[in-house]
Amino acid sequence: GQQVMQIPQYQHVQEGEDFTTYCNSSTTLSNIQWYKQRPGGHPVFLIQLVKSGEVKKQKRLTFQFGEAKKNSSLHITATQTTDVGTYFCAGQRYNNNDMRFGAGTRLTVKP
Amino acid sequence: DARVTQTPRDKVTEMGQEVTMRCQPILGHNTVFWYRQTMMQGLELLAYFRNRAPLDDSGMPKDRFSAEMPDATLATLKIQPSEPRDSAVYFCASGKTREGLNTEAFFGQGTRLTVV
Repeated sequence: GQQVMQIPQYQHVQEGEDFTTYCNSSTTLSNIQWYKQRPGGHPVFLIQLVKSGEVKKQKRLTFQFGEAKKNSSLHITATQTTDVGTYFCAGQRYNNNDMRFGAGTRLTVKP
Repeated sequence: DARVTQTPRDKVTEMGQEVTMRCQPILGHNTVFWYRQTMMQGLELLAYFRNRAPLDDSGMPKDRFSAEMPDATLATLKIQPSEPRDSAVYFCASGKTREGLNTEAFFGQGTRLTVV
């Protein structure tokens, strides 16, 4: 079945440093979504990428979808303590309706 | 402010007891997902529905888990009998699917289940 691999599992950074998390799928995806979950909270939608090679930005966050639509990345520039949480990618395959999540990358930020 | 509502928020039960978790999806959403979250397994997809019809429940242990949508405002996830390894946070999420494309999923607050 579909597997979405996400690395790293953990990332600890100093405030102001950059952060990147990567997702890789074993199959081509029709789209990929990114979510953020704060400690004790629930996943909250950040963005959806649909097109091959797509790049989207939200302030300090940059999201990319690979040309083959099998991988994606989330990059945060100049992290802040408010960025703390776990970042998940979730992929949907073609001709399939499920959304399967990666294992998540837990980000901690030292002030 | 539309939101997905899950009840109960917390549930502690003894092994062997039946557990029913409920979810009220956002009005107008046609897709409902059930996920289970543990430290070891992350977010596992258990089952999902489109227009109330179950599309896939291959992620669930069939002998003890069941998921239903008796109407458009209610989705249920039942465990009978419950076991300690079922302890986890169970999330319901709803969203719209258009032309086969899932749009953003809105998650409920989750039900934290502890089976002792």
